[in-house]
Amino acid sequence: NAGVTQTPKFQVLKTGQSMTLQCAQDMNHEYMSWYRQDPGMGLRLIHYSVGAGITDQGEVPNGYNVSRSTTEDFPLRLLSAAPSQTSVYFCASTHGGRSWEQYFGPGTRLTVT
Amino acid sequence: AQSVTQPDIHITVSEGASLELRCNYSYGATPYLFWYVQSPGQGLQLLLKYFSGDTLVQGIKGFEAEFKRSQSSFNLRKPSVHWSDAAEYFCAVGVMFSGGYNKLIFGAGTRLAVHP
Repeated sequence: NAGVTQTPKFQVLKTGQSMTLQCAQDMNHEYMSWYRQDPGMGLRLIHYSVGAGITDQGEVPNGYNVSRSTTEDFPLRLLSAAPSQTSVYFCASTHGGRSWEQYFGPGTRLTVT
Repeated sequence: AQSVTQPDIHITVSEGASLELRCNYSYGATPYLFWYVQSPGQGLQLLLKYFSGDTLVQGIKGFEAEFKRSQSSFNLRKPSVHWSDAAEYFCAVGVMFSGGYNKLIFGAGTRLAVHP
């Protein structure tokens, strides 16, 4: 049982490039989400999904796209990277419903130059 | 609006000393409260949670937290800190978001350093 996995661990992009951060979970969790972590700001919710085919925006969705074609996978796409998107990105999953415990992946550290 | 405040950005304690990390929340209803720990280069791990009932909750790694409604606080404590406790600690409040999603609102975190 690997839990929540994220790839890559580190990435450097140039401004304007696009890329996809991968996230997968093997716990059959309904809910998945993406957060970004910036110094002094804690974690902020980017996008989330309450099931396959259902996604919605969190607090800071601009510049990011998500899709959820399977229960296991929840990729985050940066459409045109900007320096303001330099951050550490965490994927999380939870059973949903009355379950509040979120399981976090190890994170992806992204630098945009 | 809901929010979480962790007043201390950095705390340094000596190994074996007691620890208290402060957390204040703003939420209109009965809150669901959480403490997470993030070790260097790792994801977040749940330490403990409060939903209802006994206001003193026990967690993993010898941590406990006390919910005080009158002070809107949920402070994390440990009687004797170990060097391996050096990490960043996040307090969070759970709120129902749109679509039935259980969203966590995090504080900015407190970075704990432990001196030998």
